[in-house]
Amino acid sequence: AQKVTQAQTEISVVEKEDVTLDCVYETRDTTYYLFWYKQPPSGELVFLIRRNSFDEQNEISGRYSWNFQKSTSSFNFTITASQVVDSAVYFCALSSGGSNYKLTFGKGTLLTVNP
Amino acid sequence: GAGVSQSPRYKVTKRGQDVALRCDPISGHVSLYWYRQALGQGPEFLTYFNYEAQQDKSGLPNDRFSAERPEGSISTLTIQRTEQRDSAMYRCASSLSTPSSYNSPLHFGNGTRLTVT
Repeated sequence: AQKVTQAQTEISVVEKEDVTLDCVYETRDTTYYLFWYKQPPSGELVFLIRRNSFDEQNEISGRYSWNFQKSTSSFNFTITASQVVDSAVYFCALSSGGSNYKLTFGKGTLLTVNP
Repeated sequence: GAGVSQSPRYKVTKRGQDVALRCDPISGHVSLYWYRQALGQGPEFLTYFNYEAQQDKSGLPNDRFSAERPEGSISTLTIQRTEQRDSAMYRCASSLSTPSSYNSPLHFGNGTRLTVT
């Protein structure tokens, strides 16, 4: 069975602070994909990143960075110099290689960035 | 359109009524998915189409739920004899090609918020 745990239910920071959102996953598959999605207050679900299990290189995109560590089954997401527009619910998700359209989502982390 | 379009945005219905939720995927996207998201939870998989073929419906909760995509584009999710426990956000997603392709992330629509009273 697959499982994604986002232990942080809510995080509140002040603008310009760095913040890391944790994601721990469980799967028996050796081939799998990991995702992060953003759900702003308007309700849409915005794709941020997808990584496969064979690529452990960390990735940086502007103020966003992702740290994938197979040894600890974690795929953490860091926002540097947070902004008010970053306020949203962030979901981590997992799918296995055989049926990678079946995303298993975590419960999400509500990030509030205060001015 | 620019993104996945779902209608209606909100639907309130009485218990026992049937509802039909519509999804218009991104133009040219081969694969289409339905997910359901309860309040405070992440989305959960319902069903998947490759063109007009329903490839996986293992996530549909019971036989009151059905989906179709007759021409390989627009899809409809139908819930018959709605119950209060069906209340949730229903999200549609599409991807450019089949899920096995690396360059096919799922792009979600804004969802339909269904409330059954």
